[in-house]
Amino acid sequence: DIQMTQSPASLSASLGETVTIECLASEDIYSNLAWYQQKPGKSPQLLIYYANSLNDGVPSRFSGSGSGTQYSLKINSLQSEDVSIYFCQQNYDSPYTFGAGTKLELK
Amino acid sequence: EIQLQESGPGLVKPSQSLSLTCSVTGYTITSGYDWSWIRKFPGNKMEWMGYISNSGSTNYNPSLKIRISITRDTSKNQFFLQLNSVTTEDTATYYCARWDVYYGFAYWGQGTLVTVSS
Repeated sequence: DIQMTQSPASLSASLGETVTIECLASEDIYSNLAWYQQKPGKSPQLLIYYANSLNDGVPSRFSGSGSGTQYSLKINSLQSEDVSIYFCQQNYDSPYTFGAGTKLELK
Repeated sequence: EIQLQESGPGLVKPSQSLSLTCSVTGYTITSGYDWSWIRKFPGNKMEWMGYISNSGSTNYNPSLKIRISITRDTSKNQFFLQLNSVTTEDTATYYCARWDVYYGFAYWGQGTLVTVSS
């Protein structure tokens, strides 16, 4: 199985700040990486697909980058509604595995 | 708009089978994509369990292969999860979702909590 190592596990930031979440795959996943946002009591929502493509309706302050085994999610100008858990997930090889999640809170 | 909705018992006894239904509206499950089950354990760990393809073939997570079955009823546009011989470690929120290699899990149901307890 491809292991997805996500960091940090938790993050505290101020409104307007820029935050970055990292995801490291145990092998090359050729950009087949997605990022999800999950708010309390809700199902995960797709933010970024294929490493850097913004899903429809997602604010442009979210962006994804990376290749090979290293990927990142950046949130510019943090808003209060961005408080969530964020997951990375690889779609390169079955079983399709997730990172452990990053809990983002406001400072 | 595509919508998915899970339904089924919220409480299952140990050693019994867990059975859930995912009802899909806004898209015909035989038209394309793969239709997955995913679960989220207490503490946030997410696990892809398996999918049934639009053609009816299945692909399961090897960690569950001897216990899981995913089937469908195309006349009702539904697909189903059966997980046998459950233990308390199967307590989780279960989601159905649409998958493809490019987008990943683009559409999710709202999730249903299943507790395994006697």
